[in-house]
Amino acid sequence: EPEVTQTPSHQVTQMGQEVILRCVPISNHLYFYWYRQILGQKVEFLVSFYNNEISEKSEIFDDQFSVERPDGSNFTLKIRSTKLEDSAMYFCASSDDRAPLHFGNGTRLTVT
Amino acid sequence: ELKVEQNPLFLSMQEGKNYTIYCNYSTTSDRLYWYRQDPGKSLESLFVLLSNGAVKQEGRLMASLDTKARLSTLHITAAVHDLSATYFCAAPNFGNEKLTFGTGTRLTIIP
Repeated sequence: EPEVTQTPSHQVTQMGQEVILRCVPISNHLYFYWYRQILGQKVEFLVSFYNNEISEKSEIFDDQFSVERPDGSNFTLKIRSTKLEDSAMYFCASSDDRAPLHFGNGTRLTVT
Repeated sequence: ELKVEQNPLFLSMQEGKNYTIYCNYSTTSDRLYWYRQDPGKSLESLFVLLSNGAVKQEGRLMASLDTKARLSTLHITAAVHDLSATYFCAAPNFGNEKLTFGTGTRLTIIP
């Protein structure tokens, strides 16, 4: 069964550094998402992406965040200047129209 | 803004017992999803409920949706240890695909 893949599985970075989280969505899916989950808490929406542009973003997704689909297969989340409170599990997801979201295994981001 | 609430937040139950997890949402939504998450793992889709009165069953889990009451339930029958996980419900904001997740119910099945 096709799946969403994310790399790296764990990223440790210092406060103020830039990080790029990478995702390869399922190939025939049209909608792409980033969610995050702070340890032990609920899953929070960050951004959705369709037709090569952001379709919706949350209050969390401020100017420090950006997304890109550079080559038709990868979908990346960039955090320009990480803060301690950005430490979380970041999940990429994709879907085909109204089907359920398929989530990747996540990237655990630790900001020190 | 859509709010999704689950209860209970924590549930510890003995093997063989039945129990129900409740999911309430605050505004109109025509669909409801249930996901399972094992510790440190991703979210696995369990059920997609697409209409009022929808009922779906998979093994010992059964999910239902009442859109008029804005309520979904996940019923566990004769629980077994491997059902221990955190269960999330999620609803889309009407008219778009953004999912709002509930707080999650951490289920522990005790032998």
